[in-house]
Amino acid sequence: SQQGEEDPQALSIQEGENATMNCSYKTSINNLQWYRQNSGRGLVHLILIRSNEREKHSGRLRVTLDTSKKSSSLLITASRAADTASYFCATDLNFGNEKLTFGTGTRLTIIP
Amino acid sequence: DAGITQSPRHKVTETGTPVTLRCHQTENHRYMYWYRQDPGHGLRLIHYSYGVKDTDKGEVSDGYSVSRSKTEDFLLTLESATSSQTSVYFCAIMGWDTIYFGEGSWLTVV
Repeated sequence: SQQGEEDPQALSIQEGENATMNCSYKTSINNLQWYRQNSGRGLVHLILIRSNEREKHSGRLRVTLDTSKKSSSLLITASRAADTASYFCATDLNFGNEKLTFGTGTRLTIIP
Repeated sequence: DAGITQSPRHKVTETGTPVTLRCHQTENHRYMYWYRQDPGHGLRLIHYSYGVKDTDKGEVSDGYSVSRSKTEDFLLTLESATSSQTSVYFCAIMGWDTIYFGEGSWLTVV
């Protein structure tokens, strides 16, 4: 079964708007990561947030982590057409990073 | 570019035939992984390796075997391919806390 589950499964917004995706997970983690996948390509790492962090920024990306609710959100501000992709959260289990478990992803479409 | 090369990138094979996918890395990382990606399931771990000749199973290992005789190469073998193994296969390596992915191998079993 999946450790992480993204919500929504699909999201369409106008260019320039903000996009928010959520991830819920089931067990305690060391960290949570977000990845992007363009159609037909491999996954690309975006950002990592550790279990003792609550918020992290990277450029137009903002990630939050609520360990009490076992959830995370990824916010992309001022979206661009190039942000069109699938976004996945990935979690490790509490004993280490050796195996990341991925969710099923959110398909984001930016409408020009 | 994380220095990961997968081969072949595309393959069509018949049911019952053996298939081997190769992953080659130039980064000398210890951990290497094989995932498969299917609609509605996201990425699921098949097998992973934590060193030469050291491998372990993931959540969907049935029907797959792996080998790692050199640090840079991690092979995934389907002993007798079935239609349920039609998928996109991704190799990945672990660099610090981050996993880096190859570009994928599209396998169709007819």
